[in-house]
Amino acid sequence: NAGVTQTPKFRVLKTGQSMTLLCAQDMNHEYMYWYRQDPGMGLRLIHYSVGEGTTAKGEVPDGYNVSRLKKQNFLLGLESAAPSQTSVYFCASSRIREQFFGPGTRLTVL
Amino acid sequence: AQTVTQSQPEMSVQEAETVTLSCTYDTSESDYYLFWYKQPPSRQMILVIRQEAYKQQNATENRFSVNFQKAAKSFSLKISDSQLGDAAMYFCAYRSFREETSGSRLTFGEGTQLTVNP
Repeated sequence: NAGVTQTPKFRVLKTGQSMTLLCAQDMNHEYMYWYRQDPGMGLRLIHYSVGEGTTAKGEVPDGYNVSRLKKQNFLLGLESAAPSQTSVYFCASSRIREQFFGPGTRLTVL
Repeated sequence: AQTVTQSQPEMSVQEAETVTLSCTYDTSESDYYLFWYKQPPSRQMILVIRQEAYKQQNATENRFSVNFQKAAKSFSLKISDSQLGDAAMYFCAYRSFREETSGSRLTFGEGTQLTVNP
């Protein structure tokens, strides 16, 4: 089992560019999540999904969109990147209790 | 909304000694889960220990144990016989028991950076 994987691991964008972060899990989990981690603020929930075809907003959803077309994949999109979106992004999945995290993506927006 | 607070941005401990990391939370719910996650320099989030609020007994995992005080809404982590590999950022997290309304999402504290001195 690969667990939770994230693509890419690092990315540098210019302001206004778009990109998509891919999260994949092979544990057949229903729930998937996207968090961002900023210094001194812990992890904050961006969007989440409770099943294939469903998504919901988390704590800091502005500037992001998500899609869950397949149960194993959860995509996070930035349509027009801003410097405030410079952060480390974590994907996670869970079935009941414990969340399993991916290795993170470090995104820098110049 | 639930909040989680870790009032110690940094802590340090001597190797083989014991250290306690503090966490408080605010919730109006009676059923929930609490977690401690460890994040080493590799960035990987690793579950250290979990506590169910309906259990009175404090959770223990080898050298890691918690002091769960439900009435005081306190959830501290004790690391015994500290090792160099314990150096990391530690996050306290809360999860509602009501999965259908919250999607089992976690609310994290700000983190405590633990340094282990040889």
